[in-house]
Amino acid sequence: QKEVEQNSGPLSVPEGAIASLNCTYSDRGSQSFFWYRQYSGKSPELIMFIYSNGDKEDGRFTAQLNKASQYVSLLIRDSQPSDSATYLCAVGMGGGSNYKLTFGKGTLLTVNP
Amino acid sequence: DAGVIQSPRHEVTEMGQEVTLRCKPISGHNSLFWYRQTMMRGLELLIYFNNNVPIDDSGMPEDRFSAKMPNASFSTLKIQPSEPRDSAVYFCASSTDRDLLGTQYFGPGTRLLVL
Repeated sequence: QKEVEQNSGPLSVPEGAIASLNCTYSDRGSQSFFWYRQYSGKSPELIMFIYSNGDKEDGRFTAQLNKASQYVSLLIRDSQPSDSATYLCAVGMGGGSNYKLTFGKGTLLTVNP
Repeated sequence: DAGVIQSPRHEVTEMGQEVTLRCKPISGHNSLFWYRQTMMRGLELLIYFNNNVPIDDSGMPEDRFSAKMPNASFSTLKIQPSEPRDSAVYFCASSTDRDLLGTQYFGPGTRLLVL
């Protein structure tokens, strides 16, 4: 059973702080890694992807991947109340037509003004 | 560019009734995924298609669930007969083989309540 694990939270941070969201995965053959944001009552929205070890930055967001430790993280700098949402980690694997994502259950982030 | 389109957005039905959910993927995308999301189980993959062919339906909970993709721009997920435990949000997502990472884009979802 391929698993993606996240702390369910809630993770509460003050406005302006750094929020750190973590995810571990069980399958070493995993090839691509995604962070989706889901506001309450809405659908998941892609915010970042990463596929090689190291850091990838996009504005206030930084994704980090460590394949040896099977660990993915998302850092949100200068957190804003509008960042309050559930963050889903997704891991992709397969080949050709048989490529799919496995999602974690998500971490609820609350940014307090 | 239109995103993934799902209908209906909300569905309330009584136990035993047939429910049909519809999805139109992003134009040019050739993979389509049906998910179910609940608080208890999170986002679960039910079935996915590539080039209109079902590739993996191992997530379909039981024979009451069926899915079809008659052409590249339309898919249905049918529940017959429906049960209260089927109440959930059902999402459709699509991707393209040209994206080697397999990025998926989600529709707005159908909120299903079975009484």
